[in-house]
Amino acid sequence: EVQLVESGGGLVKPGSSLKLSCVASGFTFSSYGMHWIRQAPKKGLEWIALIYYDSSNKYYADSVKGRFTISRDNSKNTLYLEMNSLRSEDTAMYYCAKRGGYSLYVMDAWGQGASVTVSS
Amino acid sequence: DIQMTQSPPVLSASVGDRVTLSCKASQNINKNLDWYQQKHGEGPKLLIFYTSNLQTGIPSRFSGSGSGTDYTLTISSLQPEDVATYYCYQYNSGPTFGSGTKLELK
Repeated sequence: EVQLVESGGGLVKPGSSLKLSCVASGFTFSSYGMHWIRQAPKKGLEWIALIYYDSSNKYYADSVKGRFTISRDNSKNTLYLEMNSLRSEDTAMYYCAKRGGYSLYVMDAWGQGASVTVSS
Repeated sequence: DIQMTQSPPVLSASVGDRVTLSCKASQNINKNLDWYQQKHGEGPKLLIFYTSNLQTGIPSRFSGSGSGTDYTLTISSLQPEDVATYYCYQYNSGPTFGSGTKLELK
């Protein structure tokens, strides 16, 4: 069974940094592209980043470009999201997701999320 | 960015009803559209990919259709466990989600 477990969330002040992790199991992690998606409180979903299976390509939403960095360690089956210069509007539940078979952008398994609150 | 508009925002229906949720794109998305179900307190679940393909393990009462800018998700016979928020998601260009349709039991 595919499992994705996020961790590393918390309460931080504006301007600070935080690094989220997503540990994957139940599939060959090193063969799949991975995504980060977020959901602000009581709001809809926002795709924020994608990394290829081999880290050869990374893509970001404009809202986080230059501040967030997606990375992965295939030896540890772990995906990361490093978040810098955090703003109040970055407050959200952050989900990692595995790409599906049809397309790089289809997401066929999601974690339960890690909560990030940016507040002074 | 491509804007995705879902309607209605909230839908109340009874068990056994046929339910149709709509999603309209601001431009042609060439059927590059998925539907996700999110239950309260959980991560989203993929239901339908590339407009009409049922994800493995999803009940056959769910179906999707559409083309161009207009897409629909249909539940043929609503079950209590279908209470959730449903999001459409396009990946034709700069992936974006719709704002969701909250499905409630009447």
